[in-house]
Amino acid sequence: EDQVTQSPEALRLQEGESSSLNCSYTVSGLRGLFWYRQDPGKGPEFLFTLYSAGEEKEKERLKATLTKKESFLHITAPKPEDSATYLCAVRTTDSWGKFQFGAGTQVVVTP
Amino acid sequence: DADVTQTPRNRITKTGKRIMLECSQTKGHDRMYWYRQDPGLGLRLIYYSFDVKDINKGEISDGYSVSRQAQAKFSLSLESAIPNQTALYFCATSENGAGGRDTQYFGPGTRLTVL
Repeated sequence: EDQVTQSPEALRLQEGESSSLNCSYTVSGLRGLFWYRQDPGKGPEFLFTLYSAGEEKEKERLKATLTKKESFLHITAPKPEDSATYLCAVRTTDSWGKFQFGAGTQVVVTP
Repeated sequence: DADVTQTPRNRITKTGKRIMLECSQTKGHDRMYWYRQDPGLGLRLIYYSFDVKDINKGEISDGYSVSRQAQAKFSLSLESAIPNQTALYFCATSENGAGGRDTQYFGPGTRLTVL
């Protein structure tokens, strides 16, 4: 059975304190791995898509990387506005169009 | 204007009532999805539709039904609402999935409370 696990469940950071979030997956075949940001009471907002091991994508203070078993979302020198829940999702080769989501990591950045 | 809209944004109803949640999109995408989100469980797929004539059950479709009225409209119904259907409901859209065009874009959500 396909599984997506995110860790930690929650992360509290001081402003400027860099850290990483983990998304590990067990799937039959990976078609793509997606990262989303979700603010309270809002829909998930797309951040990145990664398709193959070794791929990296960056956006402002965020950098996503992918290996054959996991993905990391690195937050460099975070600011309070980076506080959100970060979700990862996988699309597998045997699930046309369907995504499987992890439970998310809630990040709080304090001034 | 938002590309994916959902109505209503909040709804409180009673056990046994029929409820319809509506989703509209202006992105021109063929594929549409309904998810529910519960604390600690992440997003779970209820139904998905690849075009107007193609509707499929997701992992938690029991107690729900859907209607794809047009390419841009996808409605979710709870025929007889029960308290454990209290959740956040999200509609999403995506392109046809080929060539990397498979990112899902989400609406703002509907918070449903069943008393």
